[in-house]
Amino acid sequence: GESVGLHLPTLSVQEGDNSIINCAYSNSASDYFIWYKQESGKGPQFIIDIRSNMDKRQGQRVTVLLNKTVKHLSLQIAATQPGDSAVYFCAELSGGSYIPTFGRGTSLIVHP
Amino acid sequence: KAGVTQTPRYLIKTRGQQVTLSCSPISGHRSVSWYQQTPGQGLQFLFEYFSETQRNKGNFPGRFSGRQFSNSRSEMNVSTLELGDSALYLCASSLAGDTAYEQYFGPGTRLTVT
Repeated sequence: GESVGLHLPTLSVQEGDNSIINCAYSNSASDYFIWYKQESGKGPQFIIDIRSNMDKRQGQRVTVLLNKTVKHLSLQIAATQPGDSAVYFCAELSGGSYIPTFGRGTSLIVHP
Repeated sequence: KAGVTQTPRYLIKTRGQQVTLSCSPISGHRSVSWYQQTPGQGLQFLFEYFSETQRNKGNFPGRFSGRQFSNSRSEMNVSTLELGDSALYLCASSLAGDTAYEQYFGPGTRLTVT
């Protein structure tokens, strides 16, 4: 498959470990955030979202944490599996806009 | 239900040429957005079309243009190609385009400009 980017931060974990991917966002007025997963040769895929009136949201094996004070998001993946290997992007939106501004991405590599 | 399809998947062009990329949205989706993905700049929004009208536009030069047809299929065109236009071009479709979480991305067209 084709790579989506060079010089991305990389997180390497063992299968079964928990993974934490971090993202610093830029706009203090952003009020809606999305995490995407992009596998090699594919477009980004929605994972989970969170609004600014929340500080935590859980999905299936994933949890997003939001710290508005320091403009920081994190994505926690429990019991990471090889199929989780991908590039993960956070995206921010503000003022009712539906056009996301994407972060630079983190490459997650899961070793069996 | 078939996903978003983009053609061609790979393309090599020479500086100065022009290129047209195609995107077929998910059936029933009326909004199509285009993004450029590069290692240096990441994912950047180009423009969005809804019901054949450009509804939103990102910060790209006029060499980048698009259109949408009555069946919601969309094309984007880049004229006078530059080396820096080498990128993965992604399109995303949604029903009405008013919710970011409902966007579904295609696999992209990898454009290489030599």
